[in-house]
Amino acid sequence: DVKVTQSSRYLVKRTGEKVFLECVQDMDHENMFWYRQDPGLGLRLIYFSYDVKMKEKGDIPEGYSVSREKKERFSLILESASTNQTSMYLCASSPQTRSSYNEQFFGPGTRLTVL
Amino acid sequence: AQTVTQSQPEMSVQEAETVTLSCTYDTSESNYYLFWYKQPPSRQMILVIRQEAYKQQNATENRFSVNFQKAAKSFSLKISDSQLGDTAMYFCAFCNSGGYQKVTFGTGTKLQVIP
Repeated sequence: DVKVTQSSRYLVKRTGEKVFLECVQDMDHENMFWYRQDPGLGLRLIYFSYDVKMKEKGDIPEGYSVSREKKERFSLILESASTNQTSMYLCASSPQTRSSYNEQFFGPGTRLTVL
Repeated sequence: AQTVTQSQPEMSVQEAETVTLSCTYDTSESNYYLFWYKQPPSRQMILVIRQEAYKQQNATENRFSVNFQKAAKSFSLKISDSQLGDTAMYFCAFCNSGGYQKVTFGTGTKLQVIP
């Protein structure tokens, strides 16, 4: 079974703190994604990566950065947390094939509260 | 840019009955993929069903089936013989056939199955 794990299930941080959210997948997937999920807004893509050290901005990258030093690990960084970054953060991974699209496999999510 | 619209924020259905969740999308692409994902309460999101746009036949997975109307850009999910375990958020999603598999999600429909 594909397994995507996230470093924390719940996290509480203060405004201005630097926050690291980590995601690890164990299926050797090339693609990894970070989303935030907010009620009424669905999932919005923050960043994605299709290879080690490669990253692409998603739809809402402002206030975030990412790091992918190893294939299995994709980190989301909030350089200076703000209250409007309080949200559920979901990590996902998928294999990269030429012939057809494959499903994304999701982690359990990290519910981040910024006070 | 692609958009995905789910116009039903919440729905309910009696156990053993059938329910249909609606989804419309907008794209200028001719080939793409459509998905329904399920997110049970406090559990990880999983893929329910997938449709490739060039296939005219509607996808089915056990009690789950879709009604794919390409010209109308409509992609509804039908759940037959609803079970309590079907209670979840359901997200419709779109992905182009090319590129790095960037997925656009709808805002979700919260489905409650009533015993």
